[in-house]
Amino acid sequence: IVMTQTPLSLSVTPGQSASISCKSSQSLLHSDGKTHLCWYLQKPGQSPQLLIYEVSNRFSGVPDRFSGSGSGTDFTLKISRVEAEDVGVYYCMQNKELPTCGQGTKVEIQ
Amino acid sequence: EVLVVESGGDFVQPGGSLRLSCAASGFIFSTYWMSWVRQAPGKGPEWVANISPDGSAKFYVDSVKGRFSISRDNAKNSVYLRINSLRTEDTAVYYCAASLHYWGQGTLVTVSS
Repeated sequence: IVMTQTPLSLSVTPGQSASISCKSSQSLLHSDGKTHLCWYLQKPGQSPQLLIYEVSNRFSGVPDRFSGSGSGTDFTLKISRVEAEDVGVYYCMQNKELPTCGQGTKVEIQ
Repeated sequence: EVLVVESGGDFVQPGGSLRLSCAASGFIFSTYWMSWVRQAPGKGPEWVANISPDGSAKFYVDSVKGRFSISRDNAKNSVYLRINSLRTEDTAVYYCAASLHYWGQGTLVTVSS
């Protein structure tokens, strides 16, 4: 399954919102009824950290400024009220089949 | 607190072998799928392999089939990745991840002559 993210880079003013799109080459709806799409943030010099799983579920400790939505093949990560600590590269990943990631979206603060 | 710690990365010549280890704590290890994910310099993450909770099922990305072998020891809360016939394109930070939720800090494998 090929994952395509847009945009590849984003410059955001603190306090404003940002959205990242992720499209899959086939539906991520599994026979178990779940849609297996995750979002990660990789901060500079760190390992990827899970933000959202199964499209819209925030992982433990993730601020509610982060929200995920979508279905089928089209998904969106929204960051409300962007803060300086949100800089890094965001990846979507599907694990309906053998996991594959998008190319990443680099988020910078203006 | 969940902890995932990788070790075993090294500088090796092409054709060489390595065994990466991952020790986990803070969750019921024997109930989690465990994965290895690698990230080449300047690139995005690439899932490499995973193993079922009881170790009976193993899956690999096509580019490593026949060269990489994943295993686990639930008594030691550990998962391993045996890498044979190393190629320069295997150079990457290798991460261990529990159900792709909990990730370690990675171990660096450099393959060069």
